[in-house]
Amino acid sequence: DAGITQSPRYKITETGRQVTLMCHQTWSHSYMFWYRQDLGHGLRLIYYSAAADITDKGEVPDGYVVSRSKTENFPLTLESATRSQTSVYFCASSEVGVFEQFFGPGTRLTVL
Amino acid sequence: KNEVEQSPQNLTAQEGEFITINCSYSVGISALHWLQQHPGGGIVSLFMLSSGKKKHGRLIATINIQEKHSSLHITASHPRDSAVYICAVRSAGNQFYFGTGTSLTVIP
Repeated sequence: DAGITQSPRYKITETGRQVTLMCHQTWSHSYMFWYRQDLGHGLRLIYYSAAADITDKGEVPDGYVVSRSKTENFPLTLESATRSQTSVYFCASSEVGVFEQFFGPGTRLTVL
Repeated sequence: KNEVEQSPQNLTAQEGEFITINCSYSVGISALHWLQQHPGGGIVSLFMLSSGKKKHGRLIATINIQEKHSSLHITASHPRDSAVYICAVRSAGNQFYFGTGTSLTVIP
């Protein structure tokens, strides 16, 4: 199906474990973004990518790693999960030069 | 301090009422985006503005660049409009900032 998908939708893990959240879009949008959403903070940008093999830090990148070897995929890895990374994670994409972003359904991550 | 402030944080209205949600920002922007987040969590784009006014159905969005302010209006509100409305801006320096959202509940 066309659009932007995220997997898994729900994940429970333990402190110290590595976790990878997947994001896939079928529009061939150049830009992709990862956000986290926490109560009282709104959406905060973790990392973004302007194209394959081009990534840049956002507001809250510490503890996260991204890669983008293909235009359609933008995985987010928590190398050693911490309780403070319990959050809802949203992936989004947009065309070059267009601010309007299209969001995935979100992944609810709980770190115990 | 947030670069984007929304008011009110929470809003309850009776069905049929005219609703206004406000967004003020402190940075120079190239564009402003209104988003709707459904109770199930999904986020959809409503409007993208860089000047003036846009209308889509019962929704109207306005922006005043000089005053660094935008409003989202909902005419003839309906319970299905119940959601969180989020204002986001892209700064002139290509940074993205989001408001914390306005939670709207429309009562039948």
